[in-house]
Amino acid sequence: GAGVSQSPRYKVAKRGQDVALRCDPISGHVSLFWYQQALGQGPEFLTYFQNEAQLDKSGLPSDRFFAERPEGSVSTLKIQRTQQEDSAVYLCASSLAVGESSQPQHFGDGTRLSIL
Amino acid sequence: KQEVTQIPAALSVPEGENLVLNCSFTDSAIYNLQWFRQDPGKGLTSLLLIQSSQREQTSGRLNASLDKSSGRSTLYIAASQPGDSATYLCAVSKPNRDDKIIFGKGTRLHILP
Repeated sequence: GAGVSQSPRYKVAKRGQDVALRCDPISGHVSLFWYQQALGQGPEFLTYFQNEAQLDKSGLPSDRFFAERPEGSVSTLKIQRTQQEDSAVYLCASSLAVGESSQPQHFGDGTRLSIL
Repeated sequence: KQEVTQIPAALSVPEGENLVLNCSFTDSAIYNLQWFRQDPGKGLTSLLLIQSSQREQTSGRLNASLDKSSGRSTLYIAASQPGDSATYLCAVSKPNRDDKIIFGKGTRLHILP
């Protein structure tokens, strides 16, 4: 596809369940980012990949959050033992940039996660 | 720690008016600043990106300015239209190995037909 694709668009889970969110970046984009956006807030950085290397995971809120990008394209964000405070929209973005901040990030439509 | 503030949080104006959205940031050592648009239930669309060495960028009816020394940026929208209704987010990045960007909370804009 032409843009960043995220699936599922909506996910409802019971507290304590594990969830997996998928991101298909734009083909050829080296950099991939995950953000968490709570209702009425701006997105907050979670983690960053350059190809398959996870270069920054400083934004992950706890060790229940895990992200991977094993082949340098598709990425998965996994949340274990979900809690209600995990309810948010999870946005994925990709860019051509490699170590430079001059390229805009292209965002997917996000996955809206609701924890009951 | 970099903090980005956007004022106002919400704005309603009649169609056709020109308007200005404000963004301020606490650390002037930025690499660039971006303005994004977010429609309900959608991701973010990059509108304008201003490098730290630049003063402004223009795209159609949009003009963004950057005053890095004072930590401020404005987004000017000329001749507003109902289709401009959305949330506008300002974000700054720092030079680093990564492109981590820090967002403001956004301004929710409603253009009245």
